[in-house]
Amino acid sequence: NAGVMQNPRHLVRRRGQEARLRCSPMKGHSHVYWYRQLPEEGLKFMVYLQKENIIDESGMPKERFSAEFPKEGPSILRIQQVVRGDSAAYFCASSPSPREAFFGQGTRLTVV
Amino acid sequence: KQEVTQIPAALSVPEGENLVLNCSFTDSAIYNLQWFRQDPGKGLTSLLLIQSSQREQTSGRLNASLDKSSGRSTLYIAASQPGDSATYLCAAAGLNDYKLSFGAGTTVTVRA
Repeated sequence: NAGVMQNPRHLVRRRGQEARLRCSPMKGHSHVYWYRQLPEEGLKFMVYLQKENIIDESGMPKERFSAEFPKEGPSILRIQQVVRGDSAAYFCASSPSPREAFFGQGTRLTVV
Repeated sequence: KQEVTQIPAALSVPEGENLVLNCSFTDSAIYNLQWFRQDPGKGLTSLLLIQSSQREQTSGRLNASLDKSSGRSTLYIAASQPGDSATYLCAAAGLNDYKLSFGAGTTVTVRA
């Protein structure tokens, strides 16, 4: 059973471009979380999704950020018009039930 | 809002010494508490999960305790090895929401 797969592992975007981060949960997992980790800081919750539904997006910035978890395919975290402050590691976690977390290796976004 | 604190931020010990890592949380209404390990540039690996009804969990050289009334969890690592060098994160899962609230982590160095 493959683990949580995130791609790309590293992503470089110029200011103003769009970033699309993908997360394929473990087989049988219908719950997905996205977290952001800034250098020297802990993980900050962004959004919690179940298949086709956003359950809690209280940690998502109100503008430029969106997330989806379609019926088929990976979960996508989308950042429009990236700024330097968006540079961080973005981690996805999946689980078979709420409040557990099996993490992927993360996507390291660098905005230049 | 749940606040999770881990002290100390960093710890250096000689090989063979036992490690004691502390985690405190402000809201005792938790569903579970999880301990993770993170190696530099990598994702998070789940170590132990303690349900709110449990007092401790053990896996090999690792033992985690939970005291909800005092808002504390402790991770013990027996007979430390250089391979235990990593950052250790604790996360509290809320009873009333689905998010995990993370501490900033304790970075452990085990000297050979």
